[in-house]
Amino acid sequence: AQSVTQLDSQVPVFEEAPVELRCNYSSSVSVYLFWYVQYPNQGLQLLLKYLSGSTLVKSINGFEAEFNKSQTSFHLRKPSVHISDTAEYFCAVTKKGYQKVTFGTGTKLQVIP
Amino acid sequence: DAGITQSPRYKITETGRQVTLMCHQTWSHSYMFWYRQDLGHGLRLIYYSAAADITDKGEVPDGYVVSRSKTENFPLTLESATRSQTSVYFCASSEPRDRVDEQYFGPGTRLTVT
Repeated sequence: AQSVTQLDSQVPVFEEAPVELRCNYSSSVSVYLFWYVQYPNQGLQLLLKYLSGSTLVKSINGFEAEFNKSQTSFHLRKPSVHISDTAEYFCAVTKKGYQKVTFGTGTKLQVIP
Repeated sequence: DAGITQSPRYKITETGRQVTLMCHQTWSHSYMFWYRQDLGHGLRLIYYSAAADITDKGEVPDGYVVSRSKTENFPLTLESATRSQTSVYFCASSEPRDRVDEQYFGPGTRLTVT
């Protein structure tokens, strides 16, 4: 079975500072990895995903994540956060070719003006 | 409306009552999912469906019933609501042929059981 660990439940950071949200997964088979974002009172939406190929994946709004197979990690980073990045971020994993996704417990990013 | 919708958005019910949460998607996605979101637990899968008339249990199915007679609808029924079922419920859909394994989420239903 696969699992996802997001150790940080809340991460406060000042505006324009860098941020890293940590995600570690466990699985005995090849996986797809995702980061979803949830803005207040909304559903989740996909931020970025790793399926294969380049281990560094990027979103359109400046986030990036790197797949590290040896460390079983998929940390999310942004070099300079904005107030509008305040949201909850979920890391998720699924086995290749499998539709069921396992979500982490989420990390609330609070950007402080 | 295009996309995935849920109704009602907010619901208050009493312990022991039956309540049905509706989910409708317009993309003809084959897969649909029901999750509940609780503080400290993230999202937990209740049930999912691979196609019309095909459903399967997720991580926390007890106390819930689903059906899928049409591809676009996936209602979730709480047969006898309990306080522990107070939660935010999200419906999602995906289509492997379109975007591999990406799930599209509805806006959620906030259910309170008194």
